[in-house]
Amino acid sequence: DIVMTQTPLSLSVTPGQPASISCKSSQSLLRSDGRTYLSWYLQRPGQPPQLLIYEVSNWFSGVPDRFSGSGSGTDFTLKISRVEAEDVGIYYCMQSIQPPYTFGQGTKLEIK
Amino acid sequence: QVQLVESGGGVVQPGRSLRLSCAASGFMFRTYGMHWVRQAPGKGLEWVALIWYDGSNEYYVDSVKGRFTISRDNSKNTLYLQMNGLRAEDTAVYYCARGAEPLWWLPDYWGQGTLVTVSS
Repeated sequence: DIVMTQTPLSLSVTPGQPASISCKSSQSLLRSDGRTYLSWYLQRPGQPPQLLIYEVSNWFSGVPDRFSGSGSGTDFTLKISRVEAEDVGIYYCMQSIQPPYTFGQGTKLEIK
Repeated sequence: QVQLVESGGGVVQPGRSLRLSCAASGFMFRTYGMHWVRQAPGKGLEWVALIWYDGSNEYYVDSVKGRFTISRDNSKNTLYLQMNGLRAEDTAVYYCARGAEPLWWLPDYWGQGTLVTVSS
């Protein structure tokens, strides 16, 4: 199975400041079809996860553009350009190149 | 709007069975792949299973293979997860999620989840 490793596991950010989360996969997530099967989710407290970014850098419907994704192969990053209070929660990366699909451990974002 | 409502959770003894349901509305259910994802109390997300739009293919995480079965009834817009031989480590909130179209491998919309507790 593909192992997804996120860092850091927690971060505390002042509103208006940027934040960055890293996700590394144990195998390349680039397939021969040219797609890279890496997505990002946010789980707010008490809520189900919501899709933010898919295929590394594509925004899901309704996601603010202060969120951005980048990376390739096995190394990926989620960036928040200016953190807002509503961004609090746990962020997960997920690979879906091959079943079983796997998530990172999660990164908890708190507001200072 | 897309709505997914899970039901069927509860407290069950080890070794027993439970069937979860996920009622879908707001989209053409029969054309979408569907996922189950679970989250143990205080833990991260674990993908459990995927079924293609027509039920022709199923995929599972190793820890549930041979015990859990994902299925669907497109005439009822409902997804199921039959869970047999339940273990304490199956205790979790179980979410159903829609696979994006045409990106069926990508869970896009999620239900609120149903809690399964396996305990004697």
